[in-house]
Amino acid sequence: DGGITQSPKYLFRKEGQNVTLSCEQNLNHDAMYWYRQDPGQGLRLIYYSQIVNDFQKGDIAEGYSVSREKKESFPLTVTSAQKNPTAFYLCASSPNFDEQYFGPGTRLTVT
Amino acid sequence: KQEVTQIPAALSVPEGENLVLNCSFTDSAIYNLQWFRQDPGKGLTSLLLIQSSQREQTSGRLNASLDKSSGRSTLYIAASQPGDSATYLCAVYTNAGKSTFGDGTTLTVKP
Repeated sequence: DGGITQSPKYLFRKEGQNVTLSCEQNLNHDAMYWYRQDPGQGLRLIYYSQIVNDFQKGDIAEGYSVSREKKESFPLTVTSAQKNPTAFYLCASSPNFDEQYFGPGTRLTVT
Repeated sequence: KQEVTQIPAALSVPEGENLVLNCSFTDSAIYNLQWFRQDPGKGLTSLLLIQSSQREQTSGRLNASLDKSSGRSTLYIAASQPGDSATYLCAVYTNAGKSTFGDGTTLTVKP
């Protein structure tokens, strides 16, 4: 059963704590992406990776970190430096950088 | 800088109506264009991908067309159903692999 999985679906954290969101794909895609979506707003790119052990900042990378140690996995850490972390986070992958396929998302709430 | 606009932001139609959703982009030098559907609280589901050499794609009651010279794509939904209610987003991709998403059109189909 091929696809992109994100876990957990809902995540609650206290302010000041780091939290890591999981994204796994078994589509053998080279590229992976992290987006943030806020109510009534469009997608904003946080980080992307076109190959293992390499990743690039997107438009809103401050307060976030990523790693790409395996082709299948691209975890996102939301650090305490992110001023407004409550949002819906979407992970995507791409076989050739000109089409994307998305996971189901993780809703993070920080109080 | 590529900008993608989807107008209207929201649309409400009675069941059975044929409708057209619009996606406009400012830089015509795109490679692919992809249409997505997003249900509330869910990830993006890919509907149609129009590759650079194509002018349209069809899947069931959906037909998407692309006119790169005028910077426009349309998504045609035939015989709309309440289950079509969702937010529809378009994304354009450049040759450099960069993607730009529109903010989406939220469609409500009333029984």
